Amino acid sequence: NAGVTQTPKFQVLKTGQSMTLQCAQDMNHNSMYWYRQDPGMGLRLIYYSASEGTTDKGEVPNGYNVSRLNKREFSLRLESAAPSQTSVYFCASSEGYRNTEAFFGQGTRLTVV
Amino acid sequence: AQRVTQPEKLLSVFKGAPVELKCNYSYSGSPELFWYVQYSRQRLQLLLRHISRESIKGFTADLNKGETSFHLKKPFAQEEDSAMYYCALRGSGYSTLTFGKGTMLLVSP
Repeated sequence: NAGVTQTPKFQVLKTGQSMTLQCAQDMNHNSMYWYRQDPGMGLRLIYYSASEGTTDKGEVPNGYNVSRLNKREFSLRLESAAPSQTSVYFCASSEGYRNTEAFFGQGTRLTVV
Repeated sequence: AQRVTQPEKLLSVFKGAPVELKCNYSYSGSPELFWYVQYSRQRLQLLLRHISRESIKGFTADLNKGETSFHLKKPFAQEEDSAMYYCALRGSGYSTLTFGKGTMLLVSP
């Protein structure tokens, strides 16, 4: 049981390049999330998908797009990377109901130069 | 709006000392409170949730609605407790998790 799997683990981009971060979960969870983790800022929600077929903006959505491809997969796309997007990105999933736990992927460390 | 405040960026203690990581929240309804932990180079994982009222790895946390706090406590810190700790809140209805900025706990021998 892999839980939440993210790819890639590390990535270096040049300013202006695009890329997609992939996330998949095998727990049949309804809800999936993308967070970024920055020193001194904690985890901030970028986008989330409450259920298959829906996506919504979180706290810091600018510069990102998402796709809930199916119930298992939720991707995050950077169309034109900027140095301010250098961060560690975490995907998470949960059943979405009250008192349920969120499970996290191992993170993607992205550097934009 | 929901907000979580962890006032300490870093808490440094010696092994065997008591530990209290502070968490205060702002939410008008009935929140769910969680503590997540991230050990070095590992993914975040749930440590405990207020609804369970359990002790995990010697840690406990009590929800104080009057003081809007959910402080994490352990009577005797161990070196393996060194990690980043995040307090998180989920509001009522469908709501996403809102995290505090985290507190790094360093336990020295």
